[in-house]
Amino acid sequence: DQQVKQNSPSLSVQEGRISILNCDYTNSMFDYFLWYKKYPAEGPTFLISISSIKDKNEDGRFTVFLNKSAKHLSLHIVPSQPGDSAVYFCAARGNSGGSNYKLTFGKGTLLTVNP
Amino acid sequence: NAGVTQTPKFQVLKTGQSMTLQCAQDMNHNSMYWYRQDPGMGLRLIYYSASEGTTDKGEVPNGYNVSRLNKREFSLRLESAAPSQTSVYFCASSEAAGGASYGYTFGSGTRLTVV
Repeated sequence: DQQVKQNSPSLSVQEGRISILNCDYTNSMFDYFLWYKKYPAEGPTFLISISSIKDKNEDGRFTVFLNKSAKHLSLHIVPSQPGDSAVYFCAARGNSGGSNYKLTFGKGTLLTVNP
Repeated sequence: NAGVTQTPKFQVLKTGQSMTLQCAQDMNHNSMYWYRQDPGMGLRLIYYSASEGTTDKGEVPNGYNVSRLNKREFSLRLESAAPSQTSVYFCASSEAAGGASYGYTFGSGTRLTVV
């Protein structure tokens, strides 16, 4: 049962344009959503997060939008740069009991930004 | 440099051999995690430790054991390696379980091949 879904394995955009990465989830109890970026041969790095009580969070070129009714979130990168080329993972935080929160990750989307 | 350190970076095992993957963090984080990354599967949680002295199974615990040696160190053991355990293994830590608004800090990974 895949609770966090990234249905696009890859996305290609031109430098300077907007990149939109999408993520859907099934568990309405998730309370935080996060995006991670991963370069080859490196560990994932935290990019941006959003609480379930908000619908938008912005950090420089990166904005995350949350639509709770649709159980959908998206990451917008504007403008896209070649250095943004990486795999992007969507993650959601859930509670398995007590204080045992943990993250569930999607399968990732490979973003390629062409010069 | 502050962060999560994993050793070794690369390892080749024969089927049936055992080994321990080491992970240490120097950020005084309470929670630590082991994930595996396989092509097309994203990041899947193997085991986690919400705090020193506790460990819990994640999504794919079979074939693995863990030890939270102290607050800094969290090791993953393969008792009898199988080809299905060929993967990239990531250790991560967070200040609190689930690492909400600030996420997890990941190590750079251990690439394990079982032949």
